[in-house]
Amino acid sequence: DADVTQTPRNRITKTGKRIMLECSQTKGHDRMYWYRQDPGLGLRLIYYSFDVKDINKGEISDGYSVSRQAQAKFSLSLESAIPNQTALYFCATSVAGIGRNTGELFFGEGSRLTVL
Amino acid sequence: GEDVEQSLFLSVREGDSSVINCTYTDSSSTYLYWYKQEPGAGLQLLTYIFSNMDMKQDQRLTVLLNKKDKHLSLRIADTQTGDSAIYFCAEYNTNAGKSTFGDGTTLTVKP
Repeated sequence: DADVTQTPRNRITKTGKRIMLECSQTKGHDRMYWYRQDPGLGLRLIYYSFDVKDINKGEISDGYSVSRQAQAKFSLSLESAIPNQTALYFCATSVAGIGRNTGELFFGEGSRLTVL
Repeated sequence: GEDVEQSLFLSVREGDSSVINCTYTDSSSTYLYWYKQEPGAGLQLLTYIFSNMDMKQDQRLTVLLNKKDKHLSLRIADTQTGDSAIYFCAEYNTNAGKSTFGDGTTLTVKP
């Protein structure tokens, strides 16, 4: 089984609908991240969380919200989806601590979202 | 803010060496990474270099870091068709606790 699991893997929705993408991990990592991938634009950070009570905006947080329900779960919501939010979304985790804070990210397989 | 740049495409013949280049702006970067993304999959760490190193070699992979010019390169020796993928350069700032990615270089290996 994958260590970082994203659901759904594919979703097609309509403009104005509320969408939630979920991420769960079995790696025991404190830090979790949501990235968005667009062709030719690389990965851009949407939100990140260092623990359950620490949530931070990334470079493109407008139009998105997140919830860290537990150490192992981090969900991304689009309250009112719009077509330019069509993209591939990745959840990632990393570990922190003395001697362990290398920043290496462990990615899920991605959630492809299409907003019509 | 931080910026990471890399060329978008590279095409090589099987058996040749591939060199993918990257520049970054954050002088506080502590680790620099190369991630590989195969079609339909998430990113996986390929290799990394600590910012106080100049070079790191791992089998067919060689990473060179010029900290003065903020230039990072990844050389893949004896490139195989299985190396065809998107390669992302990323810099990690320990203080900020987050990574900034380049746009990715699509490597195509022709038989």
